[in-house]
Amino acid sequence: VQLVQSGAEVKKPGASVKVSCKASGYTFTNYYIYWVRQVPGHGLEWMGMIDPYGGRTIYAPNFQGRISMTRDTATSTAYMDLDSLRSEDTAVYLCARDAVSSMLRRFSPGYFTQWAQGTLVTVSS
Amino acid sequence: SYELTQPPSVSVSPGQTARITCSGDALPKNYAFWYQQKSGQAPVLVIYEDSKRPSGIPERLSGSSSGTMATLTISGAQVDDEADYYCYSTDSSNTHGGVFGGGTKLTVL
Repeated sequence: VQLVQSGAEVKKPGASVKVSCKASGYTFTNYYIYWVRQVPGHGLEWMGMIDPYGGRTIYAPNFQGRISMTRDTATSTAYMDLDSLRSEDTAVYLCARDAVSSMLRRFSPGYFTQWAQGTLVTVSS
Repeated sequence: SYELTQPPSVSVSPGQTARITCSGDALPKNYAFWYQQKSGQAPVLVIYEDSKRPSGIPERLSGSSSGTMATLTISGAQVDDEADYYCYSTDSSNTHGGVFGGGTKLTVL
């Protein structure tokens, strides 16, 4: 199992960023994908999740309205779009895979054991 | 509100028992999970569903949960256990999604 994210990004305030997370080594559509971020020197923040099979999503209330999670099953890639960036969005963004197959439980937040390497997004004018 | 509260830091001497707490109103209805994060590394799951230990995690790490508080216990703490520890829980109603505690820096010296 491997998750590989796209490279670091530098964005200006007000811009958008799209981070990708390419999965390999397992059936992409059988495990929910999560996005978590970590401001340097601070804690982890849950952003949302997507069901790669049907595209259903759940977003954290703090990001509602400016976040979008999508997926491309042909390339086994999940995407996270964050709009209206501000300096406080400077963080490492991580995708992670659910620990349990989606075939064994309903669509709801779970826990994760496989992580990608993270993508540093810097928001600066 | 859907929040998890942890102490910012815990310090113990090698061989002592470290206890890291996590409190939240949603814990009576939802499992607690614990992640260990060492500097510059991705988090590692050390406890799931309140008290279960993934394979490869030392037996000296254990978890428990009662009422609104979950506890990670590290018995006979070692220098290698020095890390940030985050509790995590989920909202089974799908309203809030998942939530992490603020994290606890464990120092073993």
